[in-house]
Amino acid sequence: DAGITQSPRHKVTETGTPVTLRCHQTENHRYMYWYRQDPGHGLRLIHYSYGVKDTDKGEVSDGYSVSRSKTEDFLLTLESATSSQTSVYFCAIRGGGGSTDTEAFFGQGTRLTVV
Amino acid sequence: AQSVTQLDSQVPVFEEAPVELRCNYSSSVSVYLFWYVQYPNQGLQLLLKYLSGSTLVKGINGFEAEFNKSQTSFHLRKPSVHISDTAEYFCAVIAVNTGGFKTIFGAGTRLFVKA
Repeated sequence: DAGITQSPRHKVTETGTPVTLRCHQTENHRYMYWYRQDPGHGLRLIHYSYGVKDTDKGEVSDGYSVSRSKTEDFLLTLESATSSQTSVYFCAIRGGGGSTDTEAFFGQGTRLTVV
Repeated sequence: AQSVTQLDSQVPVFEEAPVELRCNYSSSVSVYLFWYVQYPNQGLQLLLKYLSGSTLVKGINGFEAEFNKSQTSFHLRKPSVHISDTAEYFCAVIAVNTGGFKTIFGAGTRLFVKA
């Protein structure tokens, strides 16, 4: 298994509070991604990173921010959690070696409930 | 922009029967195509991928898929399913030669294999 650890695995938080999810990798991969998974929508990209301090928005980035200060860590922050952000969040990583490096490796997911 | 449509949200099938999970994509540029599988309470893992070359791609666990450029399809097939194939399957694309290797996922197809 690819070395990807998401923490926490489960979290319940109150509306309006900030929440940070962590993704840690031991593969030294260049690209890291945060997705959310919701029934009927599959996985939707929130933000991604293509290097230390290099990040960009995905298709559902409103209300989320990210940071990558080290190759191995990619943090996702919900600035003020809302009930619509209740979801399962997945981190994924990918190497930067061109067309042969297209497979994404996924973490186990973080189940977040906003009450 | 790219999009992926999985034509069936749920597919029930009896054990040892054949199955086809359908996927269509839309893109103005060339794409790489993937099928991922997600077992309950786990992250996604790669089943197979098409990058170039032969349009028939074989993957793990006896699955195969065929790339049809004229119909913009990438349907997944297995000649004889097992109970253990019960899972959710995601079709995905990456646009070639665009930044970030962002993977765009379909909404998923839940395969139920019945005894």
